[in-house]
Amino acid sequence: DGGITQSPKYLFRKEGQNVTLSCEQNLNHDAMYWYRQDPGQGLRLIYYSQIVNDFQKGDIAEGYSVSREKKESFPLTVTSAQKNPTAFYLCASSPGTQVSGANVLTFGAGSRLTVL
Amino acid sequence: GDSVTQMEGPVTLSEEAFLTINCTYTATGYPSLFWYVQYPGEGLQLLLKATKADDKGSNKGFEATYRKETTSFHLEKGSVQVSDSAVYFCALRAGGGNKLTFGTGTQLKVEL
Repeated sequence: DGGITQSPKYLFRKEGQNVTLSCEQNLNHDAMYWYRQDPGQGLRLIYYSQIVNDFQKGDIAEGYSVSREKKESFPLTVTSAQKNPTAFYLCASSPGTQVSGANVLTFGAGSRLTVL
Repeated sequence: GDSVTQMEGPVTLSEEAFLTINCTYTATGYPSLFWYVQYPGEGLQLLLKATKADDKGSNKGFEATYRKETTSFHLEKGSVQVSDSAVYFCALRAGGGNKLTFGTGTQLKVEL
């Protein structure tokens, strides 16, 4: 089945540590996204990538980094510079800007990060 | 900038009750509008969408009509079920590109 796989589902981190969240898709989508979800605040865009080897900052990129070396993969690193990293992180993908219906996002099941 | 405002939850209803979740938006131009649903412990799934004024999106008994004059996209269902319990997000896409702007979400609880 085509879809988006996020791992790990749950992750615990000590303060000062960097952690990397994995996101893999087999939908052949060009665009991929990372959102952060906090109670009462909905979803906020961290980074997005519309093509391999290119990505742009979203609304809350500080303290995060990404890479897009392969079309299928868009890992997110939460660095020690992120002051409040405890949250639920959602990865998504979409076909691309030139495809009809391109603005429909497919989401993964999410990764919950807790800083101890 | 673009924004989406949803009614605050939680919304608690009895099974078979009528559901309305309000959503209004602010955006430049003519945005596309979406409703996504998130079941407990899962990611978001597209529920329905509308891409131009007066369009009605529908799916699984849910409906929403794109009202440009009131900048609204309210979600409705005539008879809710316990299985509809979830968090519902209104979202818009304005201009070029694929970025979505989400509302804060509205939790729906349906009881027997």
